[in-house]
Amino acid sequence: DAGVIQSPRHEVTEMGQEVTLRCKPISGHDYLFWYRQTMMRGLELLIYFNNNVPIDDSGMPEDRFSAKMPNASFSTLKIQPSEPRDSAVYFCASAVRAGRADTQYFGPGTRLTVL
Amino acid sequence: AQSVTQLDSHVSVSEGTPVLLRCNYSSSYSPSLFWYVQHPNKGLQLLLKYTSAATLVKGINGFEAEFKKSETSFHLTKPSAHMSDAAEYFCVVTIGSSNTGKLIFGQGTTLQVKP
Repeated sequence: DAGVIQSPRHEVTEMGQEVTLRCKPISGHDYLFWYRQTMMRGLELLIYFNNNVPIDDSGMPEDRFSAKMPNASFSTLKIQPSEPRDSAVYFCASAVRAGRADTQYFGPGTRLTVL
Repeated sequence: AQSVTQLDSHVSVSEGTPVLLRCNYSSSYSPSLFWYVQHPNKGLQLLLKYTSAATLVKGINGFEAEFKKSETSFHLTKPSAHMSDAAEYFCVVTIGSSNTGKLIFGQGTTLQVKP
């Protein structure tokens, strides 16, 4: 099992540029989550999908952020335009189910630096 | 409202000595609780989880945690620390009464293991 795959692992960009982060969940997992990790706010949920449909995007910070899941094996998180305060590690996670007792499996993360 | 508090931001132990990482939770429902570990530049890995079955939960790499409802605690322990245990550890609680998939992360505890 390859686990959750994220790309790129590191991204350095300049303020105002568009950034696209990618995620491939574990095959057979119906749920996909995007998290952001910063020193100030810790780990926080941005959005999650069930069967490719966004269920809760209340954690998305603002309209500059958007996420899509065109099929069961691929999701993107896009920031346009990017700002220095978006610098963080972005994690993707997937799960078979999303009940209170179910395990989420995390990818290695994408470290984003916006200059 | 659900929340989780990790009582120590940094713990330092010597190799071969016991490890104790403290976590207190607050939950309106019977909680599900997790401990995740994050090694430098890696994703989060599940150590163990409590889901209202046995109160003493055994996880990977010799770690275990005990759910104590009266103390609202879920402390992580290991009898003998190994150098490879040096990492960041997160106590996590799920929120909501049903299938919401939302995890609330503690701020993390950095474990340092000295030779």
